[in-house]
Order: sequence, then C-alpha cells, then structure tokens
Amino acid sequence: DAGVIQSPRHEVTEMGQEVTLRCKPISGHDYLFWYRQTMMRGLELLIYFNNNVPIDDSGMPEDRFSAKMPNASFSTLKIQPSEPRDSAVYFCASSSTDPNEQFFGPGTRLTVL
Amino acid sequence: AQSVAQPEDQVNVAEGNPLTVKCTYSVSGNPYLFWYVQYPNRGLQFLLKYITGDNLVKGSYGFEAEFNKSQTSFHLKKPSALVSDSALYFCAVRDNTGGFKTIFGAGTRLFVKA
Repeated sequence: DAGVIQSPRHEVTEMGQEVTLRCKPISGHDYLFWYRQTMMRGLELLIYFNNNVPIDDSGMPEDRFSAKMPNASFSTLKIQPSEPRDSAVYFCASSSTDPNEQFFGPGTRLTVL
Repeated sequence: AQSVAQPEDQVNVAEGNPLTVKCTYSVSGNPYLFWYVQYPNRGLQFLLKYITGDNLVKGSYGFEAEFNKSQTSFHLKKPSALVSDSALYFCAVRDNTGGFKTIFGAGTRLFVKA
C-alpha cells in the first residue's frame, strides 16, 4: 500500500486566492482526519470523517475553511479566500476501525503571501 | 474535556544512555494513549499505543511506554538512545466514550548527542 497520499506537497499562493488540498486515504480505512500544524499552535484537528460523513468539524477555524469527502478514496480541504495566517503544514491521516492508530500523509506545506 | 501535557519542550541525552519523554493526560473515561514520532519534513509515524491490559507497552524501534493510571501518565522510554532517535515526539489521547477525536500534545524534541 502506498500509504496516505497528499497533493500538492507544497503550495504558494497569494492572499485572497482559493486553495484546495487533496488527500487519498489508505484503502479500507473508515476514518479520515485533517490536521493543521504550526509552530505556535502545534497539531490541531480540523475535521474528521467516518465512512465519508463529517463527524466533528469543531476545529475548523472559520467559514473560509471547508472539507468534503465525496467517496471513500478522496477528500479535499478548501480555503477560500486564503489569508497569510493560514500558512501551515496540513496533514491528512486515516485510520481503520476504532481504536487504532492513525496513518499520516506527508503533509502539504501551504504558504499564503 | 480531553487534554495532553508534554512538560518538556526538549530532552537532551547522550547516545547509549536511557531516555524518557514525559506525558500526562486528562480524559473523562478510560484513555486510549498513543505515541507518535515526526522526522523533519515528514508526517507523524505511529510508535505504540495503550488500549487495555499490561501497563508496559512495547513499540517500534525499541521504544516502550508505561501507563500509570494513578499518576495519569504515559511516559515514553528507551533503554539506550541512538542519534537517529533525534526527532519530535508527540503523545496523544482519546477517551473510550464514543468519539474518535484524538488530542495531541505540543510535542517534545529529543536530541541525542553522539
């Protein structure tokens, strides 16, 4: 298995632009998580899905952020419009049935100028 | 509410010496506890977990952790540190009351000197 796949690995954009991050979880995993990592705030859970359904989005910072999981093999995290304070590394992780560990993707480093 | 504390920002040890990275937690029910490691420019990698049973849990790369319910701690240990163990270590917790939300600590940077 290729593990969790994220794209792009690096994204540089200008303030106000729309950004879409993509994730392919490990096949067969029921849970998908989106995290944001910054020096100041550490690793924050943004949202997680179970069987493609969003379960807890309380970590999504504001309405500019949205996440979808149209099928078991694909999820997106969208920021519109982007702001410089959104600059961070965004990780996607997946997990099989409770209470197993999470497998993290390599992350997308987002820089908003 | 769940919480995790890693009291040390950085731990320095000499190669060959034992290492301990500390973690304490707070959950409303019984805890599920995890340790992850992050190398530069990489995602987190799972090391070990405690779900139930023996309080001493063994994991990858020679690491182990001891669950102490009375002290609400789950310290990560290794008998003999390697330079290659230098990385960022995260403790994580969730409770067993139904939600799948895992809370991660702030991380502890381990530096092993040759």
